[in-house]
Amino acid sequence: DAGVIQSPRHEVTEMGQEVTLRCKPISGHNSLFWYRQTMMRGLELLIYFNNNVPIDDSGMPEDRFSAKMPNASFSTLKIQPSEPRDSAVYFCASGRLAGEADTQYFGPGTRLTVL
Amino acid sequence: DAKTTQPNSMESNEEEPVHLPCNHSTISGTDYIHWYRQLPSQGPEYVIHGLTSNVNNRMASLAIAEDRKSSTLILHRATLRDAAVYYCILRDRTYSGGGADGLTFGKGTHLIIQP
Repeated sequence: DAGVIQSPRHEVTEMGQEVTLRCKPISGHNSLFWYRQTMMRGLELLIYFNNNVPIDDSGMPEDRFSAKMPNASFSTLKIQPSEPRDSAVYFCASGRLAGEADTQYFGPGTRLTVL
Repeated sequence: DAKTTQPNSMESNEEEPVHLPCNHSTISGTDYIHWYRQLPSQGPEYVIHGLTSNVNNRMASLAIAEDRKSSTLILHRATLRDAAVYYCILRDRTYSGGGADGLTFGKGTHLIIQP
């Protein structure tokens, strides 16, 4: 298995531009998570989906952020308009609740820089 | 969510055992203890989890105190590749929803391995 795939791996954009991050979860997983990591705030959960349905988006910082999961094999996280304080590493993770296991598998992340 | 407390950093020598402590004095009876680690420039990865009994896998061992208010992740023979931030996370298994929920990361323990 290729694991969780994220694209792009690096993104540099200017303030005000729209940014779209992409994630392909591991086949067969029914949960998908978006996290953000910064030096100041560490790793934070932004939103997660179960069976393609958004369950909890309380971690999304503001209305500029939106996430979709149109099917079981693809999700996007969009920032519009982007701001310098959005600069961070964004991780996508997928998982499958199997009894107590509940292991999450993380992608390599997208490093976003907003100038 | 019940909180965990870990030392900010620990240092060990290569090929020696490492014991990483985690305190979780407010743990509930339905909380599982999970450990993840994050290698430099990578996404977090699952290490091990347990409920009451000690657990072993190919990566590490988890020793859980009898009162469950603390646990210790044991790396039996640390290598330079084990240098990472280690996160101790409690997971409540009583939620419903047909899927998984997100992870709440603390600051973790930065493990330094000396050659």
